[in-house]
Amino acid sequence: EIVLTQSPGTLSLSPGERASLSCRASQSVSNSYLVWYQQKPGQAPRLLIYGASSRATGIPDRFSGSGSGTDFTLTISRLEPEDFAVYYCQQYGSSPLTFGGGTKVEIK
Amino acid sequence: QVQLQESGPGLVKPSETLSLTCAVSGYSITSGYYWGWIRQPPGKGLEWIGNIYHSGSTYYNPSLKSRVTISVDTSKNQFSLKLSSVTAADTAVYYCARDKSGYDYGYADYWGQGTLVTVSS
Repeated sequence: EIVLTQSPGTLSLSPGERASLSCRASQSVSNSYLVWYQQKPGQAPRLLIYGASSRATGIPDRFSGSGSGTDFTLTISRLEPEDFAVYYCQQYGSSPLTFGGGTKVEIK
Repeated sequence: QVQLQESGPGLVKPSETLSLTCAVSGYSITSGYYWGWIRQPPGKGLEWIGNIYHSGSTYYNPSLKSRVTISVDTSKNQFSLKLSSVTAADTAVYYCARDKSGYDYGYADYWGQGTLVTVSS
């Protein structure tokens, strides 16, 4: 089973700042089959990035994903007020599908 | 616009079977994609339970496989989850979702709103 470790656990930033979220895998994620989701309180997760770097439909270009192998990053270039939320990575390169523990981006 | 809606009891007794249904609108299940269930214990992270194709082909998380059954009813455009022998550890918000990957397991692009199921006597 691939274990995904997200860091930091909490990121305290101000609107307009840049956010970099890390997702590290215990073994290589095949074909860079990694996605990022955003989840706000009381809501279902929302798909942001698939295939490590492809933006999902309707996702603003301030969200970008990068990485391969065991190290992946989600970058939010300039935080908007609606971006403060919890972000999860998930790999689909091998069974079982696994999620990271999440990074909370909070307003500083 | 694809929409998914979970339904089922919000309270299940320990050792009994949890049963949920997901009604899909705006897209025919028989048009493709796998359809799945994901859960999230209160205040915790996400766990993928399993997927089903309209043909009945399934993928189950190995950690839950012995207790999970996912089925599909194409005539009603819906699919269902059964989780047997539940304990308090199965208390969670249960989401149904569409798996966009095109494979038997992948990632979700459309999600239901989620339904909280509490296991308690």
